[in-house]
Order: sequence, then structure tokens, then C-alpha cells
Amino acid sequence: AQSVTQLDSHVSVSEGTPVLLRCNYSSSYSPSLFWYVQHPNKGLQLLLKYTSAATLVKGINGFEAEFKKSETSFHLTKPSAHMSDAAEYFCVVSHNQAGTALIFGKGTTLSVSS
Amino acid sequence: EAGVAQSPRYKIIEKRQSVAFWCNPISGHATLYWYQQILGQGPKLLIQFQNNGVVDDSQLPKDRFSAERLKGVDSTLKIQPAKLEDSAVYLCASSTRGQETQYFGPGTRLLVL
Repeated sequence: AQSVTQLDSHVSVSEGTPVLLRCNYSSSYSPSLFWYVQHPNKGLQLLLKYTSAATLVKGINGFEAEFKKSETSFHLTKPSAHMSDAAEYFCVVSHNQAGTALIFGKGTTLSVSS
Repeated sequence: EAGVAQSPRYKIIEKRQSVAFWCNPISGHATLYWYQQILGQGPKLLIQFQNNGVVDDSQLPKDRFSAERLKGVDSTLKIQPAKLEDSAVYLCASSTRGQETQYFGPGTRLLVL
């Protein structure tokens, strides 16, 4: 069965400092992995996705994630946080081999202080 | 292009009442999903449609929840009768056939009193 574990429920950073949101996954086959972001009162937006091409995936707004099979991890990073990055972030794994059904983690709330 | 549309945005009902949510996917998207997001948790898939057929409804509480997508475009999700634990945000998403990227609507926030 597929699952994701987001290791931190809340991360706080200062503006201009690096961001690290951690995610471990479990999958019985080669997974597709995603990061989605949810701003208050807005819909979920895809940040980036991994589908077995390059292990370092670049997304929107300066975010990137690295797929590490040996560690079953897919951590999200950004070199320098901006106030507008404050939001809820979800790590997601595809549920079936066609990759169409998604399983979400519980989410990590990112707070950015000035 | 227009995104996924959902209505209403907010709904407050009393337990045992019925409620319906509507979703209009992105034009041309054959696959439509309904998710339930309880406060403090990630979204959970309720049902997936491919055109007007159900692909996966394994997590839909069928004794009280129903969904349809009669013409392969718009979809409605109904709860009858509602329970307190149904309080959540109901998200609709759509994708092109066979594609993994799902586009989400703003959601309907339901409060059951």
C-alpha cells in the first residue's frame, strides 16, 4: 500500500532563510510523488511532481525536491523563504500504478516571520 | 483558462439534513475527483469519475453519500442524512485522461451542527 508521512506538522522560519519540509513515502512500486500548497481560503496548487525522470525536481516559486529511493524520502526545499510562502504544504503519492489516485500526507504548516 | 468551479463556497446545516455540492471541472477534463478534507488533515479521495463512469468509490460512505456525473461534465455530491463528523471541506479536482496532475477547485466548507 502507498502512504506518505510528513515529519513535521509545523515549521517556522525567518524571511530569507532556507526552508526544509520533510516527507517520507512508502510504495510497493515506483511511485509518482507530488508537493501541493494550500493558501488560506484558496484551492490546492501543484508545486512540483516527480515521475521517475530526474531525481531533482524543480517547481514553481523557487521550490525544489529531491527523490531519494534509498531513504524513501522526497523533501521539499527552498533556498530563501518569502513571506508569501506561508501556507499549508502537502506531500502526495499516487495511489495506483496509473498514477491518477492521490494519497495526501497530513500537511505541514509553514510560518514565515519578518 | 477557467479553473475548477465549485458551489456553494460555504454551507451550514443541522444534522440529519441533506446537502448537495456542485462542481464544474476544467473544460475537456475527462477525470473528476471528489475529496473530503477534515480540519487538520490532508484531503481523502471519496470518488473518481472517468467521463460519466465511476472508477473508484471505495472510500465513499455509500449509506449516506452519493455522487453523479450524468453527462460527463458537471458533478454533484450529496450527503443524506448529514452527521456531525461530515463537517469538512469538500474539494473537487479534475485532470485530463490519464494525466496525474490534478487541478483543484476552491472547495465547499460544510459545517454540520
